[in-house]
Amino acid sequence: GESVGLHLPTLSVQEGDNSIINCAYSNSASDYFIWYKQESGKGPQFIIDIRSNMDKRQGQRVTVLLNKTVKHLSLQIAATQPGDSAVYFCAENGDDKIIFGKGTRLHILP
Amino acid sequence: NAGVTQTPKFQVLKTGQSMTLQCAQDMNHEYMSWYRQDPGMGLRLIHYSVGAGITDQGEVPNGYNVSRSTTEDFPLRLLSAAPSQTSVYFCASSYSQGTDTQYFGPGTRLTVL
Repeated sequence: GESVGLHLPTLSVQEGDNSIINCAYSNSASDYFIWYKQESGKGPQFIIDIRSNMDKRQGQRVTVLLNKTVKHLSLQIAATQPGDSAVYFCAENGDDKIIFGKGTRLHILP
Repeated sequence: NAGVTQTPKFQVLKTGQSMTLQCAQDMNHEYMSWYRQDPGMGLRLIHYSVGAGITDQGEVPNGYNVSRSTTEDFPLRLLSAAPSQTSVYFCASSYSQGTDTQYFGPGTRLTVL
């Protein structure tokens, strides 16, 4: 089950550098994974997804890596920009439900 | 398309009151779901529906009811509000269950006194 926490992990990155946000998922039967971005006061917004038969997928400035052996997912953002500042969530589709992780706050340093 | 709409945007209730959070989508999506988001936490699934007439429980269903009489609408009912239900509620929809992009509404911020 989830642990209760009031503080999101925070990743601070210099503008222009690459960001790597990590996520551990729980269900080895999950076959679909999604990354969402949530800006303050808004609902989550889809960024990129990956199915369990893949280990890497690239989008525009974003790459998702999936390591099923250790149940680990990562989101890489290239050339991080101020507009990337948000909370990022990974989500997994397991047992016909989509379950979200707790999120990581990405803070961009000028 | 309006996408996923939620009403109201804000609501304050007293303990014991009941209310319905509305959610509608105009994208002909089969799959709809409700999440709650508490400060510093991720989204937790309350209830979901894979199509009209079908609903199922998520991670935190207690204290909430849902129904899905049409493809477009998926209301969430709080039967007797409690302070522990103070949260931001998001509705989401997608074409199918689990393997399609979910589109989220703007959220309803609920405070229970």
